[in-house]
Amino acid sequence: AQTVTQSQPEMSVQEAETVTLSCTYDTSESNYYLFWYKQPPSRQMILVIRQEAYKQQNATENRFSVNFQKAAKSFSLKISDSQLGDTAMYFCAFVQGGSEKLVFGKGMKLTVNP
Amino acid sequence: GAVVSQHPSWVICKSGTSVKIECRSLDFQATTMFWYRQFPKQSLMLMATSNEGSKATYEQGVEKDKFLINHASLTLSTLTVTSAHPEDSSFYICSAKSASGGTDTQYFGPGTRLTVL
Repeated sequence: AQTVTQSQPEMSVQEAETVTLSCTYDTSESNYYLFWYKQPPSRQMILVIRQEAYKQQNATENRFSVNFQKAAKSFSLKISDSQLGDTAMYFCAFVQGGSEKLVFGKGMKLTVNP
Repeated sequence: GAVVSQHPSWVICKSGTSVKIECRSLDFQATTMFWYRQFPKQSLMLMATSNEGSKATYEQGVEKDKFLINHASLTLSTLTVTSAHPEDSSFYICSAKSASGGTDTQYFGPGTRLTVL
């Protein structure tokens, strides 16, 4: 069974700094997708970034980028120029290609301080 | 694009009553919708997967007679909590996957907070 591990339960960072959130996963499949979702205090789950396993190039969305290390089964999220609005729970998630189910990590609480 | 709504956003009901939660994909068609439950400070727990026009597939340990799911159209799925009890109090979130090919991305609704007195 696939598993997703977020080993850091909580982090805090100063506004404008860069922070990296770690995520590792376990799968024997070669076709899969990885996601980072953000859940702010409103509790709305928001897609931050998506990575296809077959793509070697790391996904980037504005201030958010990932470091996808397929061999190491690592998928970290880097947030540059942190903003107060980045304060949220961040969930790493995995889905096997063709499968319906998202497998979530336990989440990590990020606090951006002014 | 890819907006999912949920209604109501919060509901309080008496023990023994039933509550219906709606999940709608507003700007895309969703062949598959998912229902999750989230306890405080925890991750999302998948309850069931619903495909348009067919019966929902429930995860192990989820009572299908208690949590009735209907996916009558490509834009609407409903979750009915029947004979609700205080232990059913939780945050329920739906998500939808686009019917368009080539994506495995789920888009989430804003959630419904259910409190059973």
